[in-house]
Amino acid sequence: QKEVEQDPGPLSVPEGAIVSLNCTYSNSAFQYFMWYRQYSRKGPELLMYTYSSGNKEDGRFTAQVDKSSKYISLFIRDSQPSDSATYLCASPTGANNLFFGTGTRLTVIP
Amino acid sequence: GAVVSQHPSRVICKSGTSVKIECRSLDFQATTMFWYRQFPKQSLMLMATSNEGSKATYEQGVEKDKFLINHASLTLSTLTVTSAHPEDSSFYICSARGGSGSPYGYTFGSGTRLTVV
Repeated sequence: QKEVEQDPGPLSVPEGAIVSLNCTYSNSAFQYFMWYRQYSRKGPELLMYTYSSGNKEDGRFTAQVDKSSKYISLFIRDSQPSDSATYLCASPTGANNLFFGTGTRLTVIP
Repeated sequence: GAVVSQHPSRVICKSGTSVKIECRSLDFQATTMFWYRQFPKQSLMLMATSNEGSKATYEQGVEKDKFLINHASLTLSTLTVTSAHPEDSSFYICSARGGSGSPYGYTFGSGTRLTVV
């Protein structure tokens, strides 16, 4: 079982829709959870990170962690064509590396 | 904010030649750098971890003699793909640890697309 699992999609939504991106993880020791956005042929850029359980909001983006079910989510409100990218969830390991999900490719259609 | 510069962004080389990719932390000292490889439509696969002034730690299955990593200073790490073959064609991304903005301070370079012909 992979440490972080993510539905690869692809996911296509119309502009203005609410997008829900999800990951599950297996290691109960994970504390920090990160969401990265990767545009085509670019390196990942950090969108948000959360610690332990709960929600964190930043503009149109909301990150949510449910440690009881080992489930992490990223919600995008009022999605825009510029949000079209691959979104990767990640969590650091004890060795200070990041475990990445496979990434979900999102396309927002104007 | 923390910035990591990776160069070149794209390189095409002939089979059998070597290619060097540079990763620089521009505004912070990177105690640890990571090198990833990414195939199309797949996630990032960690190749190796390098700490300044010491030998890199390679992940299982990564040939250390083929992928030479040098982290000679706190702001520069290089990855050299030696005797490149077409199967080495991929997207290589570095990450530097030591910047601010997130737990553990990971900042990624913009990636290098290597094509071996």
